[in-house]
Amino acid sequence: SQQGEEDPQALSIQEGENATMNCSYKTSINNLQWYRQNSGRGLVHLILIRSNEREKHSGRLRVTLDTSKKSSSLLITASRAADTASYFCATDSALANAGGTSYGKLTFGQGTILTVHP
Amino acid sequence: DTEVTQTPKHLVMGMTNKKSLKCEQHMGHRAMYWYKQKAKKPPELMFVYSYEKLSINESVPSRFSPECPNSSLLNLHLHALQPEDSALYLCASSQVWDYGYTFGSGTRLTVV
Repeated sequence: SQQGEEDPQALSIQEGENATMNCSYKTSINNLQWYRQNSGRGLVHLILIRSNEREKHSGRLRVTLDTSKKSSSLLITASRAADTASYFCATDSALANAGGTSYGKLTFGQGTILTVHP
Repeated sequence: DTEVTQTPKHLVMGMTNKKSLKCEQHMGHRAMYWYKQKAKKPPELMFVYSYEKLSINESVPSRFSPECPNSSLLNLHLHALQPEDSALYLCASSQVWDYGYTFGSGTRLTVV
């Protein structure tokens, strides 16, 4: 089953506008991550926010996390046509810690398809 | 080198064929993953290798057989696949789970 639900499912905006995507999850988390996927290709890691953080910035990206509401939002400011992609939130569950390296399992939301028109 | 390289990018195979997907990373990551993504769906975990040992199998059918020959390479051997196995297969790696994952660009698999 999917951990996260995202809304909107699709978002269409003009270049220069801001884009906001929301993600809700069901269980307690250690961290929440956002990924971008262009045209059904590989996922690009955008930003990670830990459960004890409330807000994080990276360039034109701003992520917030509200653990009491089990929700997160991704804001892309001053959008560009190159931002057109699918955006996924994902929660990370630690599965083990062996020899100093732990591994986890990403559980993804359904994704938001963002289209930025030139 | 901060990339995960997957080959081939596209693969078409018949239901009686045997093929392999390859994944390579040189970041020193000791955990490697296979994810499967169906069209218009999010990725779902298939396998996890940690220190070259299979650590997690998410109840994947035996027609998918993973292999980790060394710390840099991850293979996925395919045999007797069904058309419903057509999907994007993504490889990923991580060093520490709390710092994000690096994904490859994927192999688009079509089973005919």
